[in-house]
Amino acid sequence: EIVLTQSPGTLSLSPGERATLSCRASQSVSSSYLAWYQQKPGQAPRLLIYGASSRATGIPDRFSGSGSGTDFTLTISRLEPEDFAVYYCQQYGSSRSITFGQGTRLEIK
Amino acid sequence: EVQLVESGGGLVQPGRSLRLSCAASGFTFDDYAMHWVRQAPGKGLEWVSGISWNSGSIGYADSVKGRFTISRDNAKNSLYLQMNSLRAEDTALYYCAKGPYGDFLWYFDLWGRGTLVTVSS
Repeated sequence: EIVLTQSPGTLSLSPGERATLSCRASQSVSSSYLAWYQQKPGQAPRLLIYGASSRATGIPDRFSGSGSGTDFTLTISRLEPEDFAVYYCQQYGSSRSITFGQGTRLEIK
Repeated sequence: EVQLVESGGGLVQPGRSLRLSCAASGFTFDDYAMHWVRQAPGKGLEWVSGISWNSGSIGYADSVKGRFTISRDNAKNSLYLQMNSLRAEDTALYYCAKGPYGDFLWYFDLWGRGTLVTVSS
């Protein structure tokens, strides 16, 4: 099973700043089968990024994903008030198992 | 409207069984893989199980293998999760989620609001 480790655990930033979230895999993620989700309190997760760098339908272009192999990054170029939430990475397509990272909480500074 | 609606959660004693259901609408259900993902109170997301469009491929997390069974009824646009031998650590909000293709090893592009399962004596 591929273990995903997200860092930092909590990120404190102000609106307008740039956010960089990391997701590191215990082994190579095949074909960049990595996704990112946003979850706000009391809500279901929402798909942001799939295939490591493709934005899901309706996701603003301030969200971008990059990386390959074992190191992946979610970048939010300029934080809006509604972006403060918990973010999860997820790998798929490997060993017939799907795993999530433990999450990064993005909070207002 | 495209949506997933879970039901069947509740309070159950350890060792007992529960069956969750997920009703899909607004899309062609039998074209897509479906999944169950859970979230324990205050914790992160954990994939539980997935099933391909025709039930030909099924996968489970190690934590539920041998106790939980996923199934689907394409004629009823419904997904199910039969949970046996429940443990306290199965307490969580259970989400139904849709994959983008027929095979189940992909991401999740649509989520329900979840149904809460509490395992306690």
